[in-house]
Parts: sequence; C-alpha cells; structure tokens
Amino acid sequence: QKEVEQDPGPLSVPEGAIVSLNCTYSNSAFQYFMWYRQYSRKGPELLMYTYSSGNKEDGRFTAQVDKSSKYISLFIRDSQPSDSATYLCASQETSGSRLTFGEGTQLTVNP
Amino acid sequence: ETGVTQSPTHLIKTRGQQVTLRCSSQSGHNTVSWYQQALGQGPQFIFQYYREEENGRGNFPPRFSGLQFPNYSSELNVNALELDDSALYLCASSLRGRNTQYFGPGTRLTVL
Repeated sequence: QKEVEQDPGPLSVPEGAIVSLNCTYSNSAFQYFMWYRQYSRKGPELLMYTYSSGNKEDGRFTAQVDKSSKYISLFIRDSQPSDSATYLCASQETSGSRLTFGEGTQLTVNP
Repeated sequence: ETGVTQSPTHLIKTRGQQVTLRCSSQSGHNTVSWYQQALGQGPQFIFQYYREEENGRGNFPPRFSGLQFPNYSSELNVNALELDDSALYLCASSLRGRNTQYFGPGTRLTVL
C-alpha cells in the first residue's frame, strides 16, 4: 500500500467551477501536508502547506487536513484555464524531512 | 533571489552508462534533496544532503549516489544505468529544519 494515495484523474471542469482534489494517507507519523502544482515539463511549485489538522486559505485556494480520517483536500474556487496542471499532495513526518508524494491529479479547466 | 537550477535539461544515455546531474540550490538554502519522477507518477525521494553528508535515503540502490559541495550545490550520480532509470530527476533545496522544499525544473533522463 502506498503511504499517500491520490486519484490520478484526469479531471476536466469548466472555467469558474469549484475544484476539489483529495488524497488519503496511511502513515500516522505524518504531520506536515503540502500541495504542489506542476505544469507540463516543469518542476513542482509549492502552493500550500498545513501543519496537523485544520484549514488554510490563500486567495482562491483552501487546503484542509483531517488527521482523524487521514484525509487531505485542496479546493480551488473560481477555477481558471491557467490552473490546468497536475496537482500533487505530499506529506512529511518532521520538518525538513523527506516528502512522500501522491501520484498527482491532472486537472484541465476549459474556457 | 536565485531559484533552484539544474543541468542539463535533457540527457540521453544508453544502458550500462554512468550519468551525473547537477543542482544549484536557492540562495541561502543549505539542504538539498533529490527525487525521481517517472512518467505519470509522483516524485520519489532518493536522498537528502546537509553539510556535505547524506542525511536520509529512500528505497534506491547504491548505484545512486550523491555529493554536496561547500557552496551547497549538489550532484546526483547514477552508475550502470537501466532502462527503468528513465525519468525526470528533481532537485529541491530548503533551509535545514524548515518544511518548505523548493524544486528546480528537473533533468529529463532517457536511457536507451
């Protein structure tokens, strides 16, 4: 079993839609949770990071972590064609340690 | 502030050869991590370097080795290349003890 599971999609939505991306994890030692965005042929770009359970909002993006159910979510409001990319969730046991990634969800936002 | 840079961008090698990939960390960052990303998969941790020493290793064989230099730049060396080594190799830099790792654009390695 992979430590971080993510539905690879692909996911296709119309412009302006609310997008929900989700991951589950199995390692109870994970404390830090990140979302990265990766455009084609580029390196991952950090979008959000959260420590332990809770919500974090940054503009159109909201990250949620529920440690009781080991569930990680990213919500994108008012999605734009420029949001079309692969979204990777990642988890970390301790600050600065290795990142364990899901396999990524490919998102396309259609104009 | 200079971001993470990697060289070369693309590389084609044949099975059995050796390859060296290079990474310059973001200004002020003292820790470098390397990841392998196969097509359609998430990145997988190879190893991390801090103060020129390996500081954690993923499930990769010894033919994957690395170096970190006093200026915090780093190299990833892969010996006896196999077809399955074809992937995007990502370098990420961070400040020791801080969560956030910043990735370079990657080196795409093709093994024929």
